[in-house]
Amino acid sequence: KAGVTQTPRYLIKTRGQQVTLSCSPISGHRSVSWYQQTPGQGLQFLFEYFSETQRNKGNFPGRFSGRQFSNSRSEMNVSTLELGDSALYLCASSFTSEGETQYFGPGTRLLVL
Amino acid sequence: GQNIDQPTEMTATEGAIVQINCTYQTSGFNGLFWYQQHAGEAPTFLSYNVLDGLEEKGRFSSFLSRSKGYSYLLLKELQMKDSASYLCAVRDLVTGGGNKLTFGTGTQLKVEL
Repeated sequence: KAGVTQTPRYLIKTRGQQVTLSCSPISGHRSVSWYQQTPGQGLQFLFEYFSETQRNKGNFPGRFSGRQFSNSRSEMNVSTLELGDSALYLCASSFTSEGETQYFGPGTRLLVL
Repeated sequence: GQNIDQPTEMTATEGAIVQINCTYQTSGFNGLFWYQQHAGEAPTFLSYNVLDGLEEKGRFSSFLSRSKGYSYLLLKELQMKDSASYLCAVRDLVTGGGNKLTFGTGTQLKVEL
């Protein structure tokens, strides 16, 4: 069974631009969560989608948004990029929205210049 | 919300046993996870505890005491490949359910000859 895939793997943007990241969960998984990982803050929860609905949201500004499609693939968007948005963005999928282990994708490394 | 503490770094010898502790303060608890993350890679699932007690899986065991807000990960017969960051994560108990994990900053384990 294929694992969680994320595209692109690496991205360089400049301040003020916007970016869209994509995540394809493991086949059959309906829950997709997004995390931001930085050396200083560690892994921080952004949001979770389940059956095309946002179930939970972390403490990030409104510049961070996401959505989920009917095939469970998810995208996250960051608008008006700031230098501090440079991070590894990880998505994780699970079969249901709780009681299940989350499996992480390889991540998208975003560098904002 | 959650507050999670784990040691920043630990060093151990190949073949030995190491215990990585994690303490947490929670406003709602719905399970504790341990993940392993090698440098430049995605976190991989190691263990999950939701009830008090010990869960054993090969060379890895994880213990949970909900009343004490305490967990540990025990690694036996250490191998060089076990050198990695070990992440403790608590799932919040949120209305409507779902996966909202709060991660500790990770314990960097170095296994030496």
